[in-house]
Amino acid sequence: QLQLQESGPGLVKPSETLSLTCTVSGGSISSSSYYWGWIRQPPGKGLEWIGKIYYSGNTYYNPSLKSRVTISIDTSKNQFSLKLGSVTAADTAVYYCARLSRRGVSGVLILASYFDSWGQGTLVTVSS
Amino acid sequence: QSVLTQPPSVSGAPGQRVTISCTGSSSDIGAGYDVHWYQQLPGTAPKLLIFGNINRPSGVPDRFSGSKSGTSASLAITGLQVEDEADYYCQSYDSSLSGSVFGGGTKLTVL
Repeated sequence: QLQLQESGPGLVKPSETLSLTCTVSGGSISSSSYYWGWIRQPPGKGLEWIGKIYYSGNTYYNPSLKSRVTISIDTSKNQFSLKLGSVTAADTAVYYCARLSRRGVSGVLILASYFDSWGQGTLVTVSS
Repeated sequence: QSVLTQPPSVSGAPGQRVTISCTGSSSDIGAGYDVHWYQQLPGTAPKLLIFGNINRPSGVPDRFSGSKSGTSASLAITGLQVEDEADYYCQSYDSSLSGSVFGGGTKLTVL
């Protein structure tokens, strides 16, 4: 059974860089059928897509965060990572890593990929 | 402000049927992109509930169903149970953003 686990500091100072890693077990991160993504949820608020990466290294980011975000992948470790720079209190949130399926029911590639497996999430607080 | 619009809350009594709407635009749902639904129980990560507008992953009860028409989609829950009390989110793809978009979420209260 696929499992995803986020790890990284729970407290980051304003203007610094938030760094998180997602470790994938029970499946290969190098599968051509999936993207690997990050989503965040500020306390008491809704979900926000941050970005996603393909095993080849191709990345796609939310335009509202693109200037501050870098997502990378390490297939040898079955891990992918998130870096968010110049953080402020508004970046305080639970950060989730997730797998996105690229294929619909018929097996055809779809643009509207969906998050079929999620990590438990990790709370990152931005505060001095 | 979310790209997809959902009602902030809905409620129903045990055994009843409720629906949650998700309204988008011509660059997302209206462009033909699939809609997916997630259930988030208190204090837990979201869980995939419906994918590809109408499909249930293995293990999701058939009390949950999805539909899509034009620029909107809906999630229906029949035979409401107390354990259905959760936040529900719709998600699709937006061509103008070239990425995933979520609804603002709907809190379901089972009275």
